[in-house]
Amino acid sequence: AQSVAQPEDQVNVAEGNPLTVKCTYSVSGNPYLFWYVQYPNRGLQFLLKYITGDNLVKGSYGFEAEFNKSQTSFHLKKPSALVSDSALYFCAVRPPYDRGSTLGRLYFGRGTQLTVWP
Amino acid sequence: NAGVTQTPKFRVLKTGQSMTLLCAQDMNHEYMYWYRQDPGMGLRLIHYSVGEGTTAKGEVPDGYNVSRLKKQNFLLGLESAAPSQTSVYFCASSSPGQDYGYTFGSGTRLTVV
Repeated sequence: AQSVAQPEDQVNVAEGNPLTVKCTYSVSGNPYLFWYVQYPNRGLQFLLKYITGDNLVKGSYGFEAEFNKSQTSFHLKKPSALVSDSALYFCAVRPPYDRGSTLGRLYFGRGTQLTVWP
Repeated sequence: NAGVTQTPKFRVLKTGQSMTLLCAQDMNHEYMYWYRQDPGMGLRLIHYSVGEGTTAKGEVPDGYNVSRLKKQNFLLGLESAAPSQTSVYFCASSSPGQDYGYTFGSGTRLTVV
């Protein structure tokens, strides 16, 4: 069965410090991996994705994520956090189409609340 | 380009009342999804549709029904609302050629009293 784990419900960092939001997954084959961000009272917004190629992918607002196949992880990172980065972050995985899954369906982690202190 | 539009944005229902949430997308996406979001639970899939006229159950379908009579619309119905259905509901859409996953609506905050 497909699953995504975000082991930290909350991450707190000081502005200017680097941040990491962790994500691990359990999916057969080579999945697509995503990060979404949700600001208060808003829908989820696409942040970045990994499909194939370079293990370090760059996305919006200075965020990047590192894909590690051996550890089945896709951690979100940013070198210098901003107060405006405070939001709820979701990791998601889409199994390969040939694995009999619902076409296009994403499986989400429970979310990690990131708080950046000034 | 509106993307995914959900109506209404807020609603308060009494226990036992019924209502329909509407999701409309203008991107010609094949797939549409209804999720509920509850604190500490993340996003849970209620129902989904892989094309016009087709629907299927997700993880938490009980108490909900859906219909997709037109490709651009996906309706979520509550026949007899219960306090346990108090939640924020999100609609999303996607298509096979869309490699950024889902496009989400802005959500409907439903309170059942």
